[in-house]
Amino acid sequence: GQNIDQPTEMTATEGAIVQINCTYQTSGFNGLFWYQQHAGEAPTFLSYNVLDGLEEKGRFSSFLSRSKGYSYLLLKELQMKDSASYLCAAMDSNYQLIWGAGTKLIIKP
Amino acid sequence: GAVVSQHPSWVICKSGTSVKIECRSLDFQATTMFWYRQFPKQSLMLMATSNEGSKATYEQGVEKDKFLINHASLTLSTLTVTSAHPEDSSFYICSARLADYEQYFGPGTRLTVT
Repeated sequence: GQNIDQPTEMTATEGAIVQINCTYQTSGFNGLFWYQQHAGEAPTFLSYNVLDGLEEKGRFSSFLSRSKGYSYLLLKELQMKDSASYLCAAMDSNYQLIWGAGTKLIIKP
Repeated sequence: GAVVSQHPSWVICKSGTSVKIECRSLDFQATTMFWYRQFPKQSLMLMATSNEGSKATYEQGVEKDKFLINHASLTLSTLTVTSAHPEDSSFYICSARLADYEQYFGPGTRLTVT
């Protein structure tokens, strides 16, 4: 079956760094997406990885290891506005997104 | 960037009535749109894939006669919740596919059935 696992909740301090992990199992693989979702709002795109390695985009970076079925989202210099849920989604061979349950990130001052 | 709109953003209806939600891609054509439902503190659940000019493909467990989807044009898909019940109250989100790897989400519609 197809499955995405990510932690339910994480807490971090403003200004610090946090890493949100995601493991996936899909029928075929066409890439790994990370989305940010604030409460009551739709998800917004953060990153897309299809090749192994680290993709850096400002304060956010995303890493992928296809052989391990593993990805992480790294958030640096945390700000209070980063408090949100972070959704990991893997695209299968039919180009359909398989969604994780999301990780709620709580930022404390 | 690609923009997807949804209307209405929120709606309250009485049990037994029907509600129509529109999803529009504003600056691109989308042959495929997706409808999701999200309950509080849960992840997105794909309800159906809507293809322009053809019948929608529903996920297992989603009643196609209750959730009517029409993808009438390359920029518009509609979801009609028929004979709504309180358990249908949820956050409904659409997304439109621009390319294989690009999917853009609408702002969502919060439905409350009383």
